[in-house]
Amino acid sequence: AQSVTQLDSQVPVFEEAPVELRCNYSSSVSVYLFWYVQYPNQGLQLLLKYLSGSTLVESINGFEAEFNKSQTSFHLRKPSVHISDTAEYFCAVMSNQAGTALIFGKGTTLSVSS
Amino acid sequence: ETGVTQSPTHLIKTRGQQVTLRCSSQSGHNTVSWYQQALGQGPQFIFQYYREEENGRGNFPPRFSGLQFPNYSSELNVNALELDDSALYLCASSSGTTRANVLTFGAGSRLTVL
Repeated sequence: AQSVTQLDSQVPVFEEAPVELRCNYSSSVSVYLFWYVQYPNQGLQLLLKYLSGSTLVESINGFEAEFNKSQTSFHLRKPSVHISDTAEYFCAVMSNQAGTALIFGKGTTLSVSS
Repeated sequence: ETGVTQSPTHLIKTRGQQVTLRCSSQSGHNTVSWYQQALGQGPQFIFQYYREEENGRGNFPPRFSGLQFPNYSSELNVNALELDDSALYLCASSSGTTRANVLTFGAGSRLTVL
């Protein structure tokens, strides 16, 4: 069965510092990988996705993630965070069993302070 | 282009009651998925509907049921509510059932069971 492990439940950082949110997955078949962000009292917003091709994917707001097949990881990084990046971040893998069902990790709370 | 809208935003029920949650999919989307997000957890897949038929189901009991209507809107029904059903219920729509179709999430309906 597929699963996703987010290694850190909370990550506190100072503004303008770099950050890495770690995600590992388990799957015996090819996967599609996603990062979603959830701001307080809002739904999930797609941050970036890996479907195929280049293993480094980028979002429009400066985040990037690298698909590493040998380490089964899809870590999210940003070289310099802003206060507005404070949110819950979810890593997800797309199931190969039920349509386009997503399997989510438990989430990482990113707290950016000044 | 309107996004995914869900109603009600908040509701309180007591054990044993029944609840119906509603979702309007994004314009042009014909597939709807429902997820349950318990406090402090990642979303868990309940089921997916495509062209008014169930197209995949997660590990949820039969008292969780759904409908999709010809206009692609959807309902999630939960019978015999239990305390553990307290959660944020997220609806997501997409333009198909292939793995490349990205899900767009609504803001959710927060259910509290007393």
